[in-house]
Amino acid sequence: SQKIEQNSEALNIQEGKTATLTCNYTNYSPAYLQWYRQDPGRGPVFLLLIRENEKEKRKERLKVTFDTTLKQSLFHITASQPADSATYLCALDMSKNNDMRFGAGTRLTVKP
Amino acid sequence: ETGVTQSPTHLIKTRGQQVTLRCSSQSGHNTVSWYQQALGQGPQFIFQYYREEENGRGNFPPRFSGLQFPNYSSELNVNALELDDSALYLCASSPRGRNEQFFGPGTRLTVL
Repeated sequence: SQKIEQNSEALNIQEGKTATLTCNYTNYSPAYLQWYRQDPGRGPVFLLLIRENEKEKRKERLKVTFDTTLKQSLFHITASQPADSATYLCALDMSKNNDMRFGAGTRLTVKP
Repeated sequence: ETGVTQSPTHLIKTRGQQVTLRCSSQSGHNTVSWYQQALGQGPQFIFQYYREEENGRGNFPPRFSGLQFPNYSSELNVNALELDDSALYLCASSPRGRNEQFFGPGTRLTVL
C-alpha cells in the first residue's frame, strides 16, 4: 500500500541553524509534492510545490528537494527563527481521484 | 482578497445525529476539497468538488456527502455521526489550473 512517512514527530533546533525535515514515500510516483505549515488550531498554509521533473525549489529561506529515485523530499529552513516553530506537512499528489495524501507532519521547535 | 472561511468554528453533536459544515472559497477559486484531520495526524482527503460536481473521493463512507454551489461555496454533510467522526474538518480551495490549496481555519467537531 502507499505510505508517506515524515521521519521525526518532533525536531528541536537552535535559532540560526538550518532545519531539515524529511518526507519519504513508497509504492507511488507522484507528479508533484507540496509542503505546508500548520500552526496549532489553524488550517495548513501552502509553502512550496515541486514537480517530479524538478530537483530543487527555493523561496526565501526555504528550500525543497525532490529525489524520485530515493522517493524522498527534503525541506530545509535556513537561518531558522523562533517564528518558524510549527508543524510542517508534506503532501503528495495521488492523481487518482484528485486525492492529496498528507504525511502526519513534523513539529519543529526553534529555540532562541 | 478574502481567504477561505468556514462555519461554525466549533460544534458538539451526539452519536447518530447529522451535521452540516459550510465553506466559502477564496475569491476566484472554483475547486473545493474537504479533509478530516484527527489529532496528531495529517489531513485525510474526503472529496473534491469542481463546477458543482464531485470530482474525486477518498476512502470515506457514503454518509459523508457534499455540495458545491454556483458561487463555489460548499457544504459537507455527515449523517449518522459516530464517535470517531470527532476531528477538525478542513476546507481548501484552489484556483483554476493550479495545484496548491488554500485552507480555511477548520471546524472542530466533537461527537459525544
